[in-house]
Amino acid sequence: NAGVTQTPKFLVLKTGQSMTLQCAQDMNHEYMSWYRQDPGMGLRLIHYSVGAGITDQGEVPNGYNVSRSTTEDFPLRLLSAAPSQTSVYFCASSYGGLTNQPQHFGDGTRLSIL
Amino acid sequence: GESVGLHLPTLSVQEGDNSIINCAYSNSASDYFIWYKQESGKGPQFIIDIRSNMDKRQGQRVTVLLNKTVKHLSLQIAATQPGDSAVYFCAESWGLGSYGKLTFGQGTILTVHP
Repeated sequence: NAGVTQTPKFLVLKTGQSMTLQCAQDMNHEYMSWYRQDPGMGLRLIHYSVGAGITDQGEVPNGYNVSRSTTEDFPLRLLSAAPSQTSVYFCASSYGGLTNQPQHFGDGTRLSIL
Repeated sequence: GESVGLHLPTLSVQEGDNSIINCAYSNSASDYFIWYKQESGKGPQFIIDIRSNMDKRQGQRVTVLLNKTVKHLSLQIAATQPGDSAVYFCAESWGLGSYGKLTFGQGTILTVHP
């Protein structure tokens, strides 16, 4: 049981480049989310999805796009990389429904923008 | 501000002691709370959760206490072990249809000395 799998684990981009961070879960979870974590801080929500075909913005969505074509996959796209996007990115998933359930996290993608 | 984020609260304990990690949450409407453990280079790992209709919940070696009057959450770890050394985050969520969205606290660094 792999849980939440993120690829790549490390990535270096130049300013202005675009790139897609991959996230896949094998737990048949409805809800999926992307967070970023900056040094010495907690995680901040970028985008989230409540099911295939449905996405919405979180706290810090600017500069990122998402799509959810399947239940399993939730890729995060950086449109034009900026140094301010240097961070560690975490994908998470949880069961759906109106009763909150714990989010399960992947091990992150460490992204540096030069 | 950024300077606050770079200086996480720290807690140092001896192996075998009990540890108490505190968290002040922000939203009086929050009704779901989670504690996560994050080891270096890893994603947050679920420890325990509690809903607002409870004031205490116990797990294996861990207890979460919720005081809604003062918007305070604590995590108690019994017989702390070196493997408990990590950064601990509290997170909150509110309302039906929160869709798994979490707001994270800053984090506390726990160091356990053998």
